[in-house]
Order: sequence, then C-alpha cells, then structure tokens
Amino acid sequence: EVQLVESGGGLVQPGRSLRLSCAASGFTFDDYAMHWVRQAPGKGLEWVSGISWNSGSIGYAESVKGRFTISRDNAKNSLYLQMSSLRAEDTALYYCAKGGTAAAGTYCDYWGQGTLVTVSS
Amino acid sequence: SYELTQPPSVSVSPGQTASITCSGDKLGDKYACWYQQKPGQSPVLVIYQDIKRPSGIPERISGSNSGNTATLTISGTQAMDEADYYCQAWDSSSVVFGGGTKLTVL
Repeated sequence: EVQLVESGGGLVQPGRSLRLSCAASGFTFDDYAMHWVRQAPGKGLEWVSGISWNSGSIGYAESVKGRFTISRDNAKNSLYLQMSSLRAEDTALYYCAKGGTAAAGTYCDYWGQGTLVTVSS
Repeated sequence: SYELTQPPSVSVSPGQTASITCSGDKLGDKYACWYQQKPGQSPVLVIYQDIKRPSGIPERISGSNSGNTATLTISGTQAMDEADYYCQAWDSSSVVFGGGTKLTVL
C-alpha cells in the first residue's frame, strides 16, 4: 500500500524559513517523480514543485521560484521542500504526491494527507 | 505561463450525464488528467493520460482530449460523485492545474 506522510508544517512568521518532509513507503521510491502541491484555505490546487526520479529534472511554479527548493533522498525514501522568505500567501495545506512516471512533468497517482503551513505574524 | 480554464460549477440530476470541460491552448497536444476531491479529503486521480482509469475507478467515469479542450464525463451520475474536480496538464518539468469545478448532483 502506497503511503505518503508529510511533516514539518506549522505557524511561521513572514520572512522566515520552514522545511517540509514527506516519508514514502509501499513503492519503489527511486522509480518515480515526486511533487509538492498546495491548497490555500477554500481555494483550488496549485502545483508548487516537482522532481524527477534521479533529481535530474526539477520544476517550480513561478510563485515560488527562487524561494523554495525541492530535493529528495532516495536512500531514505524521502522528499523535502525547503521554503524560505515565506509570505502570507504561502499559507496552505501542502500535499506530497507521487508521480505516475519517472519524469518531473507527469500526473500524481497518490497523495498524502497534507501538512498545514500558516504564515502569520 | 500556460493556463487551464474550467467552469466554476456544473449541476446534474441523478442518473444523468455530467460533462466538465478544461480548456487550454493546444491542450490536445499534451496529456491531461483529472482529480476528484471531496470535502476534507485529499485529491484522488480518476483519469490520466487523457482516457485511462486507475484501478478502482468505475467505468462510468471517462475522459477525452482533443483540440483545445479536455472533457471529463460521468455517466449515470450518483450522489457520491458530488465533489470538486480538477484537470491537470504538464509540459517538460512544469505542471499546471485548472481552477476546479464543483459538481453538484441535484
């Protein structure tokens, strides 16, 4: 059974940093791309970033480019999102999602339950 | 940047067919997929690569993609189909979601 468990969310002040983690199990982690997708309260889904199976291809949404960094550790079956210079508009539920293929641009066939990030003073 | 446009809401009577559209420039040249999200739950993939259904998704849910429009079709709509639906497409290493459509089963 595929399981994706996010952690690291919380309340953070504007301008500060936060690191999200996603622990994956139930599939061969280094065969698939991984993604971070967020959803602001009452709003739609917004893709944040994706990373290919071997970290060779990485993409970011324009809204986070230069502030967020995605990475993965295939030895630890883990995905990360380093978020810096956080803004109020980054407040959202952050989902970790498994890619359906090895490529960074792909669909997401399994999703975690999300971790809530609140940016507020 | 690439954009996908969905109607904010669609209503359907139980047992009827619901169609939800997703429009984007030359969308038919890309792969599209669809997610269903019920209140308080994580999204669930219901269609990928335009027309394929993941295991466990009923056959009454289908997809198509041609020209500038991808369409999600739900035949014999049931109360359990009431949810938000999002289309998604990708290009190289960039992914984009549509704004979402709230499907109401009246």
